[in-house]
Amino acid sequence: GDSVTQMEGPVTLSEEAFLTINCTYTATGYPSLFWYVQYPGEGLQLLLKATKADDKGSNKGFEATYRKETTSFHLEKGSVQVSDSAVYFCALRDYKLSFGAGTTVTVRA
Amino acid sequence: IAGITQAPTSQILAAGRRMTLRCTQDMRHNAMYWYRQDLGLGLRLIHYSNTAGTTGKGEVPDGYSVSRANTDDFPLTLASAVPSQTSVYFCASSTDLKTEAFFGQGTRLTVV
Repeated sequence: GDSVTQMEGPVTLSEEAFLTINCTYTATGYPSLFWYVQYPGEGLQLLLKATKADDKGSNKGFEATYRKETTSFHLEKGSVQVSDSAVYFCALRDYKLSFGAGTTVTVRA
Repeated sequence: IAGITQAPTSQILAAGRRMTLRCTQDMRHNAMYWYRQDLGLGLRLIHYSNTAGTTGKGEVPDGYSVSRANTDDFPLTLASAVPSQTSVYFCASSTDLKTEAFFGQGTRLTVV
């Protein structure tokens, strides 16, 4: 079945550092891909999405490109802030939404 | 209200008791979902509904039941709670089966 594998955490960074969270997927069809973010004590919020190969999703300085050839959707941000501290989930959707295990990111001032 | 509302926010429940977690959305979304979130396991789908009147099983349906009598409401029932059902439960909805899902704030359930 469809599945998502994302980089294990936790990840600890200093402010203004570069962040990459790796995500790869397995799917039989042509899924849409998403990154969700969960701040402490809150539900999941959609961060960005891409619906077809070579699409780039972007939001709040985060970017991810849908790479069909490598079945990947890595999340990147060039300069993180303390407010980016959260748990990040990669997800794919064919007929249902499947999530990775989540990566906890902590940004230190 | 706007979006998805879950109730209660948290609950401590004795093992063996019956419990219904409530979920209401006002976005007129066709599809709704229940997930549980456990540390290290991410989110796992319990049950889903493509449209009012239909439901389906997800990855971890045992011990849970759902109903979808109308578009807005998607309650999750634990018939006889067990400690392994201690988790944070999230309800979500989406326009259809291809679009992004919107999540509620979650219900933290502790079964003792």
